[in-house]
Amino acid sequence: DTAVSQTPKYLVTQMGNDKSIKCEQNLGHDTMYWYKQDSKKFLKIMFSYNNKELIINETVPNRFSPKSPDKAHLNLHINSLELGDSAVYFCASSLRTGDYLLAKNIQYFGAGTRLSVL
Amino acid sequence: QKEVEQNSGPLSVPEGAIASLNCTYSDRGSQSFFWYRQYSGKSPELIMSIYSNGDKEDGRFTAQLNKASQYVSLLIRDSQPSDSATYLCAGSNSGYALNFGKGTSLLVTP
Repeated sequence: DTAVSQTPKYLVTQMGNDKSIKCEQNLGHDTMYWYKQDSKKFLKIMFSYNNKELIINETVPNRFSPKSPDKAHLNLHINSLELGDSAVYFCASSLRTGDYLLAKNIQYFGAGTRLSVL
Repeated sequence: QKEVEQNSGPLSVPEGAIASLNCTYSDRGSQSFFWYRQYSGKSPELIMSIYSNGDKEDGRFTAQLNKASQYVSLLIRDSQPSDSATYLCAGSNSGYALNFGKGTSLLVTP
């Protein structure tokens, strides 16, 4: 059983389209994240949710809208896709955020969704 | 700006040697640090975590943290070709999102 699973694995679409990426974790974690990894392999936080509540929203265009229906799921919807959105998007989860106990901060990553905007 | 700096490499070491990967960070509020390994086309995989000054060993891996110098390192002993990957250093401020460095590419040659 995959701990953090994302769908789809690959997404090829045209500029201007709207697309969604889904993420589910079966680890019983409280916190989920979306990261973007660009062509230079730099991994950068986009959003963080704790128990369905948005706690981190980095400087991301408002075309990106995360949604967490429950604490096991965090989806990412992207409107009006642009060429610069092409990247690999990783979902991750951790037991609890804001916790000084190291083990609870460890983040586990999904396999990634490779988005190509043409 | 919460920056984590790494030398991009590539760092090339012969099989059986010690690979030394370094990382510096600017956010003095960072409490815990992580080393992730990422193979090409794959997701980051946790190798080591550390939050106290000093050394932490796990098998062939040793993480070192010096908060006064804002410096984190990872030593890989008896390097194997299968260790060839990009190593990502990350810091965490009070358990919130990880701030990643740009990664160091390691190549272990047979």
